[in-house]
Formats: sequence, structure tokens, C-alpha cells
Amino acid sequence: DTGVSQDPRHKITKRGQNVTFRCDPISEHNRLYWYRQTLGQGPEFLTYFQNEAQLEKSRLLSDRFSAERPKGSFSTLEIQRTEQGDSAMYLCASSKDRGRSRTDTQYFGPGTRLTVL
Amino acid sequence: DQQVKQNSPSLSVQEGRISILNCDYTNSMFDYFLWYKKYPAEGPTFLISISSIKDKNEDGRFTVFLNKSAKHLSLHIVPSQPGDSAVYFCAASSGNTPLVFGKGTRLSVIA
Repeated sequence: DTGVSQDPRHKITKRGQNVTFRCDPISEHNRLYWYRQTLGQGPEFLTYFQNEAQLEKSRLLSDRFSAERPKGSFSTLEIQRTEQGDSAMYLCASSKDRGRSRTDTQYFGPGTRLTVL
Repeated sequence: DQQVKQNSPSLSVQEGRISILNCDYTNSMFDYFLWYKKYPAEGPTFLISISSIKDKNEDGRFTVFLNKSAKHLSLHIVPSQPGDSAVYFCAASSGNTPLVFGKGTRLSVIA
């Protein structure tokens, strides 16, 4: 049973650099979510995909952030010109869409911890 | 505006006793509620969920109770074990929208 995987697990970068994270969802899951978690807070929604379509973006997702899911499988989250405030745990989750009226259970990966110096 | 609130940042319970974690929400459109458990440096692990058409759901040692009129849900763990020590997050959703999480409650089960 392979769960959601994320790579890398840790990333340390200098302010102003670009970083890219990868998420591989559970294989039969067509929905993929990105969240961000900072110390003392719960995960906060950033964006999500249904297959390859990006359906919603949070206002937390500034124009320095971009996410893709080109073939409806894995996804990447890129942060350009990183700032110290971007330091956080970036979490990916996936789920299987069961239809509009039913909320699907999301399963999370281990996260990528980003530290911007 | 915090739509999901976990007002107790921490809770300590003796091993073998019951742990009760509470969660309040403000959005009456929420129709699905979940509890996740999180260890340090790991992602949240799904524990149990409940739909708004139910008031109770049980899975082994874990039971979630939902009181829609009070906009309140609780997670009961009985008996509590040292391995249950973690941060517990309450989350809610409406009509398959992305999850809204509380800030979490740190549970410590003391042997």
C-alpha cells in the first residue's frame, strides 16, 4: 500500500531563490490538494486539482506560487523568489472524488519542510 | 475569522482513562467533519470522520460525536494509550470543498 509521497522532505534555501516540491498521490485518487502549515496553526488550503485541472486557489497563493499537475498524476508546487515568510511545512493530500454531494476523505503525505534563510 | 476552533491547545490524560477533544465550528454549511492525528515532522493521519446526517460514529477506541444545534463535535479516545500522544486536528468541509482545519490540540497520555 503506497500512500502519498512528497519530495524532498526538507529544503533549506536562501531568500530570493526558487524552490520546487513534488507530490505523488495515491494512485487511484483523482483529487490532489496542497496545504501549508506554520507553527501553532492547522494546515491551510492553498490549491487543489481534479485530474489535471486546477479548480481552486486560495488567496494565500500569491503570484510567486504556481502549481501544476500536467498529466493528472503527480503535482509540483513552485515558489519563486522565496521570502522568509514562506518558511513552513508544505503538505500534499489526495482523495478519490465520490461525486459532488459527498465530501471525500483526504490522505496526507509526510510534508516538505521549507526553511528560507 | 476562524471557522473551526479548537479552544484547548493542550490536554493531559492518564493512561487508561478517557481523552475528550473538543471542536466548535461557525459555518452551518459544513456537512462533513474529520479528525486527524499528527506526530512531529509527519503529515496528518486520518483517524475518523462523521457526516452531518449522523450524530455519532465509532471506530475501535475512537468515537466522534456531532451536535449540529450547538455546532460542536468531540473526539473520545478510550482507553487512552501513550502512543495516542500527538496533536489532534479537527477539520470540516461543505459540499466537497477543501478542508478547513482548527489549530489543533496537543494530547499527552501519561503512563
